[in-house]
Amino acid sequence: TQLLEQSPQFLSIQEGENLTVYCNSSSVFSSLQWYRQEPGEGPVLLVTVVTGGEVKKLKRLTFQFGDARKDSSLHITAAQPGDTGLYLCARPRGYGNNRLAFGKGNQVVVIP
Amino acid sequence: EPEVTQTPSHQVTQMGQEVILRCVPISNHLYFYWYRQILGQKVEFLVSFYNNEISEKSEIFDDQFSVERPDGSNFTLKIRSTKLEDSAMYFCASSTLTGAKVETFFGQGTRLTVV
Repeated sequence: TQLLEQSPQFLSIQEGENLTVYCNSSSVFSSLQWYRQEPGEGPVLLVTVVTGGEVKKLKRLTFQFGDARKDSSLHITAAQPGDTGLYLCARPRGYGNNRLAFGKGNQVVVIP
Repeated sequence: EPEVTQTPSHQVTQMGQEVILRCVPISNHLYFYWYRQILGQKVEFLVSFYNNEISEKSEIFDDQFSVERPDGSNFTLKIRSTKLEDSAMYFCASSTLTGAKVETFFGQGTRLTVV
C-alpha cells in the first residue's frame, strides 16, 4: 500500500523559475514532515506541519498542509541550483506514532 | 548544532560476515531508530528503541538483526550474517518525542555493501 504518493517524481527547471511538488494520501495524517536528501547523504528535516491549512515558510520554500490533512505541497520560489535534491515527505505511523513512513520523493533538478 | 553521527561511512563485507553499524544520537533525545534505503528505493523503517528496549520493529528486522545501546551515548545495529540483499544505506535517527509533533533527525548514513 502506497501510503504517501509524491508527484511529480522528477522535475527539471531553469534557475529562477518557480515549482510546486505534492505529497498526497487517501488517509488523514496527524502531521507531516518534509525532508531534503542529497545523493549519498541522510534526509535533512526541513519542516513539520501539524494543523490543517497550516502554511510554513523557510526562505524561498513554502510548505502547505491541506485543510483535510490528507495532502501537502512544497512550493519553491525563484529556484536556485542549490535547491537541487530529493524532497521526501514522511508521516508518523505505528505504535505511538513512533516511526516514519516515507514517500518515494520528488527529485528536483535546477539547471543554472 | 547537535547532530546524529554514524560510523563508518562505508562498509564492505563478505556475505555471511557480521557487521556492526554505530551511531551517536543527539544527546538529549530519548528515541532512537534505524532505517535503511536500498538504492533507488524509499527510506524504510527497521526498528525503534526507547528506554533500553525495542519499541517497534518492521518485518525486515528479522532474527539476523539486533540493536544495542551499550553505554550512554552509542546505539548500534548488528547484522549477524549478512546477505547480498542487505546492501543499502543504513540511517540512524533520533527524536525527543513521539506523536504528531515528532521531529526526527537523521545521520549521514552508512553505506553497506555485501559482496
